[in-house]
Amino acid sequence: EIMLSQSPATLSLSPGERATLSCRASRYVSKNLVWYQQKPGQPPRLLIYGASTRATGIPARFSGSGSGTDFTLTISSLQSEDFAVYYCQQHHTWPPVYSFGQGTKLEIK
Amino acid sequence: EVQLLESGGGLVQPGGSLRLSCAASGFTFGSYAMSWVRQAPGKGLEWVSSISVDGDDTYDADSVKGRFTISRDNSKNTLYLQMDSLRDDDTAVYYCAKRFSGYIDYWGQGTLVTVSS
Repeated sequence: EIMLSQSPATLSLSPGERATLSCRASRYVSKNLVWYQQKPGQPPRLLIYGASTRATGIPARFSGSGSGTDFTLTISSLQSEDFAVYYCQQHHTWPPVYSFGQGTKLEIK
Repeated sequence: EVQLLESGGGLVQPGGSLRLSCAASGFTFGSYAMSWVRQAPGKGLEWVSSISVDGDDTYDADSVKGRFTISRDNSKNTLYLQMDSLRDDDTAVYYCAKRFSGYIDYWGQGTLVTVSS
């Protein structure tokens, strides 16, 4: 089983600042890595797929990078609505029971 | 607009059973693999089960293997999760999820399952 490790666990920043979230896989996953955003009381929402492609309707301030085992989600200038929990997930392995990272909570400083 | 509407959650005693349903609309249900993902209170996401487009192939996390059964009825645009031998640690919000090329592109709102005596 591939393990995903996200860091930091909590990130405290102010609106307008740049956020950098990390996801590291225990084994190679190519670019089969996605990012989700989850706000309290809501289901997750797809942000990034293929490690770097924004999903439909996702603002350009969100960007993803990386391949292999190391991935980054960057939010260029934080808006109030961006404070949430972010999860990475790999879909490289078979069978299709895919692991998630433990999440990074992005909170207002 | 893609919609996934879960139902069937509730309070059940340890060792009991529950069947979740997910009514899908806004897309060609029979053309997409589907999954169930759960989230225990205050915790992260856990992939539970996946099913192929025709229902012939199913896959389960080790934590639910032998106790949970995923199935689908493409004629009714509905996904199911039969949960047997429920344990306290199965308490979670259960999300129905539409898969696209392996990842989830749409999530339902979730249904809460509470296992407690």
